[in-house]
Amino acid sequence: QQQVKQSPQSLIVQKGGISIINCAYENTAFDYFPWYQQFPGKGPALLIAIRPDVSEKKEGRFTISFNKSAKQFSLHIMDSQPGDSATYFCAASPWQGGKLIFGQGTELSVKP
Amino acid sequence: DSGVTQTPKHLITATGQRVTLRCSPRSGDLSVYWYQQSLDQGLQFLIQYYNGEERAKGNILERFSAQQFPDLHSELNLSSLELGDSALYFCASSKIAGDTDTQYFGPGTRLTVL
Repeated sequence: QQQVKQSPQSLIVQKGGISIINCAYENTAFDYFPWYQQFPGKGPALLIAIRPDVSEKKEGRFTISFNKSAKQFSLHIMDSQPGDSATYFCAASPWQGGKLIFGQGTELSVKP
Repeated sequence: DSGVTQTPKHLITATGQRVTLRCSPRSGDLSVYWYQQSLDQGLQFLIQYYNGEERAKGNILERFSAQQFPDLHSELNLSSLELGDSALYFCASSKIAGDTDTQYFGPGTRLTVL
């Protein structure tokens, strides 16, 4: 019940294309859903986050879509660039605590 | 740069040994979190401290312990090390212990147990 399932494990996209990464959760107590970006040799960095009271949040080329009834959320990267090549993690946090439960990660490669 | 510092960057040690990983949170942040990242387990929450007190515990082994000091820096102690403890250990910090507060991650300590 504490798991967050993320897919795909890896993704190859052409420059200018749309990258889509999906996550699903089971625990309805989760109340905060961030996405983190991690480059090799670096720590994860917050990209964008959403609360379940909204269905979509957009920041620049990055959009989170949230489906509360399906317990699913996804990250869309528009106009993907080679510099976006990194590992992306979705996460969830229960309302009553601060710990992040992470998905398994998606390795994104954007080809020029 | 997140403002979270971790030392050392790399650590190579032998099975059965004990090591200490250090984390300094961002200025003004009271909460510190420890995570372990390995290929098979992914990113896993270990433990959280808030203003010196343990706040939440995750999948932390009994051989591991942590503490947060009055100056808010934190240490993660790993003892009786096994090969399977080889991983990246990240520290994160946030201002409060609230469930929606942004966690900023440090650069990590890569532990190799031989």
